[in-house]
Amino acid sequence: KAGVTQTPRYLIKTRGQQVTLSCSPISGHRSVSWYQQTPGQGLQFLFEYFSETQRNKGNFPGRFSGRQFSNSRSEMNVSTLELGDSALYLCASSLAQVDSPLHFGNGTRLTVT
Amino acid sequence: GQQVMQIPQYQHVQEGEDFTTYCNSSTTLSNIQWYKQRPGGHPVFLIQLVKSGEVKKQKRLTFQFGEAKKNSSLHITATQTTDVGTYFCAPYGFQTSYDKVIFGPGTSLSVIP
Repeated sequence: KAGVTQTPRYLIKTRGQQVTLSCSPISGHRSVSWYQQTPGQGLQFLFEYFSETQRNKGNFPGRFSGRQFSNSRSEMNVSTLELGDSALYLCASSLAQVDSPLHFGNGTRLTVT
Repeated sequence: GQQVMQIPQYQHVQEGEDFTTYCNSSTTLSNIQWYKQRPGGHPVFLIQLVKSGEVKKQKRLTFQFGEAKKNSSLHITATQTTDVGTYFCAPYGFQTSYDKVIFGPGTSLSVIP
Protein backbone atom coordinates (compact mmCIF):
# COMPACT_ATOMS: atom_id res chain seq x y z
CA LYS A 1 0.00 0.00 0.00
CA ALA A 2 1.41 3.39 -0.97
CA GLY A 3 2.25 5.79 1.84
CA VAL A 4 1.30 9.40 2.26
CA THR A 5 2.55 11.48 -0.65
CA GLN A 6 3.33 15.15 -0.35
CA THR A 7 4.23 17.45 -3.20
CA PRO A 8 6.36 19.32 -3.82
CA ARG A 9 9.26 18.21 -1.59
CA TYR A 10 10.96 21.59 -1.67
CA LEU A 11 9.71 25.06 -2.36
CA ILE A 12 11.33 28.48 -2.34
CA LYS A 13 9.06 31.49 -2.29
CA THR A 14 9.36 35.22 -1.73
CA ARG A 15 7.68 37.19 1.01
CA GLY A 16 4.19 38.21 0.06
CA GLN A 17 3.63 35.34 -2.32
CA GLN A 18 1.23 32.50 -1.71
CA VAL A 19 1.83 28.75 -1.83
CA THR A 20 -0.24 25.59 -2.15
CA LEU A 21 0.93 22.26 -0.82
CA SER A 22 -0.62 18.94 -1.69
CA CYS A 23 -1.12 15.73 0.23
CA SER A 24 -2.42 12.36 -0.94
CA PRO A 25 -3.34 10.11 1.98
CA ILE A 26 -3.02 6.38 2.28
CA SER A 27 -5.84 4.66 0.43
CA GLY A 28 -8.79 4.23 2.77
CA HIS A 29 -7.71 6.97 5.16
CA ARG A 30 -10.32 9.67 5.40
CA SER A 31 -8.65 11.99 7.88
CA VAL A 32 -5.84 14.31 6.89
CA SER A 33 -3.97 16.53 9.34
CA TRP A 34 -1.37 19.18 8.68
CA TYR A 35 1.54 20.13 10.93
CA GLN A 36 4.21 22.78 10.80
CA GLN A 37 7.60 21.76 12.11
CA THR A 38 10.33 24.23 12.99
CA PRO A 39 13.44 23.72 15.13
CA GLY A 40 12.23 26.11 17.78
CA GLN A 41 8.53 25.23 17.93
CA GLY A 42 8.43 21.50 17.29
CA LEU A 43 5.36 19.99 15.69
CA GLN A 44 2.53 22.49 15.61
CA PHE A 45 -0.96 21.39 14.61
CA LEU A 46 -2.49 23.40 11.77
CA PHE A 47 -5.79 21.70 10.97
CA GLU A 48 -7.47 18.40 10.35
CA TYR A 49 -9.95 17.46 7.64
CA PHE A 50 -12.36 14.58 7.58
CA SER A 51 -14.88 13.94 4.83
CA GLU A 52 -14.14 17.30 3.21
CA THR A 53 -14.88 19.18 6.45
CA GLN A 54 -12.44 20.87 8.76
CA ARG A 55 -12.83 18.96 12.00
CA ASN A 56 -10.17 20.68 14.11
CA LYS A 57 -8.07 23.79 13.84
CA GLY A 58 -4.88 24.92 15.51
CA ASN A 59 -3.80 28.40 16.53
CA PHE A 60 -2.55 29.72 13.22
CA PRO A 61 -3.58 32.95 11.48
CA GLY A 62 -6.17 32.98 8.74
CA ARG A 63 -3.41 33.11 6.13
CA PHE A 64 -3.20 29.37 6.60
CA SER A 65 -6.09 27.50 5.06
CA GLY A 66 -6.82 24.08 3.74
CA ARG A 67 -9.33 21.91 2.06
CA GLN A 68 -10.06 18.30 1.38
CA PHE A 69 -11.48 16.78 -1.75
CA SER A 70 -13.94 13.94 -2.15
CA ASN A 71 -11.09 11.49 -2.77
CA SER A 72 -9.58 12.54 0.61
CA ARG A 73 -6.65 14.34 -1.00
CA SER A 74 -5.91 17.58 0.77
CA GLU A 75 -4.28 20.88 0.03
CA MET A 76 -3.09 23.62 2.29
CA ASN A 77 -2.58 27.19 1.24
CA VAL A 78 -0.54 29.92 2.82
CA SER A 79 -1.14 33.43 1.57
CA THR A 80 1.00 36.53 2.00
CA LEU A 81 4.03 34.52 3.01
CA GLU A 82 6.25 35.75 5.81
CA LEU A 83 9.84 34.79 6.62
CA GLY A 84 8.60 33.00 9.71
CA ASP A 85 6.57 30.61 7.58
CA SER A 86 9.76 28.85 6.55
CA ALA A 87 9.34 25.35 7.90
CA LEU A 88 8.75 21.71 7.14
CA TYR A 89 5.05 21.14 6.50
CA LEU A 90 3.96 17.63 7.30
CA CYS A 91 0.76 15.96 6.29
CA ALA A 92 -0.53 12.91 8.14
CA SER A 93 -3.40 10.64 7.28
CA SER A 94 -5.31 8.27 9.50
CA LEU A 95 -8.41 6.17 9.65
CA ALA A 96 -11.59 7.81 10.84
CA GLN A 97 -11.44 6.45 14.40
CA VAL A 98 -10.54 8.90 17.14
CA ASP A 99 -7.40 7.08 18.27
CA SER A 100 -6.02 5.99 14.92
CA PRO A 101 -2.27 6.38 14.54
CA LEU A 102 -1.01 9.08 12.21
CA HIS A 103 0.92 8.18 9.08
CA PHE A 104 3.12 11.03 7.97
CA GLY A 105 4.36 11.99 4.55
CA ASN A 106 7.92 13.11 3.89
CA GLY A 107 6.88 16.72 4.13
CA THR A 108 7.32 19.85 2.06
CA ARG A 109 10.27 22.03 2.97
CA LEU A 110 9.20 25.64 2.43
CA THR A 111 11.76 28.42 2.40
CA VAL A 112 10.57 32.01 2.31
CA THR A 113 13.13 34.62 1.28
CA GLY B 1 -5.35 24.55 28.49
CA GLN B 2 -3.72 21.22 28.22
CA GLN B 3 0.06 21.12 28.60
CA VAL B 4 2.45 18.41 27.54
CA MET B 5 6.05 18.21 28.68
CA GLN B 6 8.80 15.86 27.69
CA ILE B 7 12.04 15.43 29.56
CA PRO B 8 14.84 15.54 28.88
CA GLN B 9 14.95 17.79 25.83
CA TYR B 10 18.25 16.29 24.73
CA GLN B 11 20.12 13.16 25.71
CA HIS B 12 23.54 12.01 24.62
CA VAL B 13 24.43 8.43 25.47
CA GLN B 14 27.27 6.07 24.75
CA GLU B 15 26.23 3.18 22.57
CA GLY B 16 25.10 0.36 24.81
CA GLU B 17 23.78 2.62 27.57
CA ASP B 18 20.11 2.80 28.43
CA PHE B 19 17.87 5.77 27.66
CA THR B 20 14.56 6.96 29.06
CA THR B 21 12.28 9.81 28.05
CA TYR B 22 9.29 10.95 30.02
CA CYS B 23 6.07 12.55 28.86
CA ASN B 24 3.90 14.41 31.35
CA SER B 25 0.45 15.84 30.81
CA SER B 26 -1.40 18.35 32.94
CA THR B 27 -4.67 16.52 32.31
CA THR B 28 -5.85 12.93 32.37
CA LEU B 29 -5.40 11.23 29.04
CA SER B 30 -7.53 8.81 27.11
CA ASN B 31 -4.54 7.30 25.41
CA ILE B 32 -1.06 8.23 24.31
CA GLN B 33 0.95 7.53 21.21
CA TRP B 34 4.70 7.58 20.67
CA TYR B 35 6.48 8.54 17.46
CA LYS B 36 10.09 8.53 16.33
CA GLN B 37 11.59 10.94 13.83
CA ARG B 38 15.00 10.18 12.42
CA PRO B 39 17.16 13.15 11.35
CA GLY B 40 15.89 14.40 8.00
CA GLY B 41 12.88 12.11 8.18
CA HIS B 42 9.27 12.26 9.21
CA PRO B 43 7.61 11.06 12.42
CA VAL B 44 6.84 7.35 12.44
CA PHE B 45 4.26 5.81 14.73
CA LEU B 46 5.74 3.46 17.33
CA ILE B 47 3.00 2.48 19.72
CA GLN B 48 -0.24 3.41 21.43
CA LEU B 49 -1.01 2.95 25.11
CA VAL B 50 -4.59 2.96 26.31
CA LYS B 51 -4.95 1.30 29.71
CA SER B 52 -3.88 2.65 33.07
CA GLY B 53 -0.52 1.12 34.05
CA GLU B 54 -0.09 -0.49 30.64
CA VAL B 55 3.36 -1.72 29.66
CA LYS B 56 4.26 -2.68 26.12
CA LYS B 57 7.54 -3.88 24.71
CA GLN B 58 9.02 -3.74 21.25
CA LYS B 59 12.37 -5.51 21.26
CA ARG B 60 14.64 -3.14 23.24
CA LEU B 61 11.91 -0.49 23.67
CA THR B 62 9.60 -0.50 26.70
CA PHE B 63 6.63 1.83 26.87
CA GLN B 64 4.68 2.56 30.05
CA PHE B 65 1.47 4.44 30.75
CA GLY B 66 1.10 5.82 34.25
CA GLU B 67 -1.52 4.58 36.68
CA ALA B 68 -3.19 8.00 36.69
CA LYS B 69 -2.97 8.20 32.87
CA LYS B 70 -1.17 11.52 33.09
CA ASN B 71 2.31 10.40 32.19
CA SER B 72 4.17 7.93 30.06
CA SER B 73 7.70 6.81 29.49
CA LEU B 74 9.79 5.22 26.78
CA HIS B 75 12.85 3.23 27.82
CA ILE B 76 15.45 1.92 25.40
CA THR B 77 17.79 -0.79 26.63
CA ALA B 78 21.33 -0.94 25.27
CA THR B 79 21.02 1.87 22.75
CA GLN B 80 22.31 1.47 19.22
CA THR B 81 23.16 4.07 16.61
CA THR B 82 19.92 3.19 14.85
CA ASP B 83 18.05 4.63 17.85
CA VAL B 84 19.21 8.15 17.00
CA GLY B 85 16.34 10.55 16.46
CA THR B 86 13.68 12.55 18.22
CA TYR B 87 11.02 10.78 20.21
CA PHE B 88 7.65 12.49 20.48
CA CYS B 89 4.73 11.63 22.66
CA ALA B 90 1.26 12.49 21.45
CA PRO B 91 -1.46 12.56 24.11
CA TYR B 92 -4.73 11.82 22.41
CA GLY B 93 -8.45 11.97 22.88
CA PHE B 94 -8.59 13.79 26.19
CA GLN B 95 -11.20 12.26 28.41
CA THR B 96 -14.40 11.81 26.43
CA SER B 97 -14.01 14.45 23.79
CA TYR B 98 -12.19 14.11 20.54
CA ASP B 99 -9.36 16.54 20.22
CA LYS B 100 -6.63 17.29 17.81
CA VAL B 101 -3.33 15.51 18.28
CA ILE B 102 -0.88 17.69 20.12
CA PHE B 103 2.67 16.53 20.14
CA GLY B 104 5.07 16.96 23.00
CA PRO B 105 8.23 18.96 22.31
CA GLY B 106 10.22 15.75 21.83
CA THR B 107 13.41 14.29 23.24
CA SER B 108 16.36 14.27 20.90
CA LEU B 109 18.60 11.23 21.36
CA SER B 110 22.20 11.10 20.21
CA VAL B 111 24.13 7.87 20.44
CA ILE B 112 27.91 8.01 20.51
CA PRO B 113 29.43 4.90 18.92
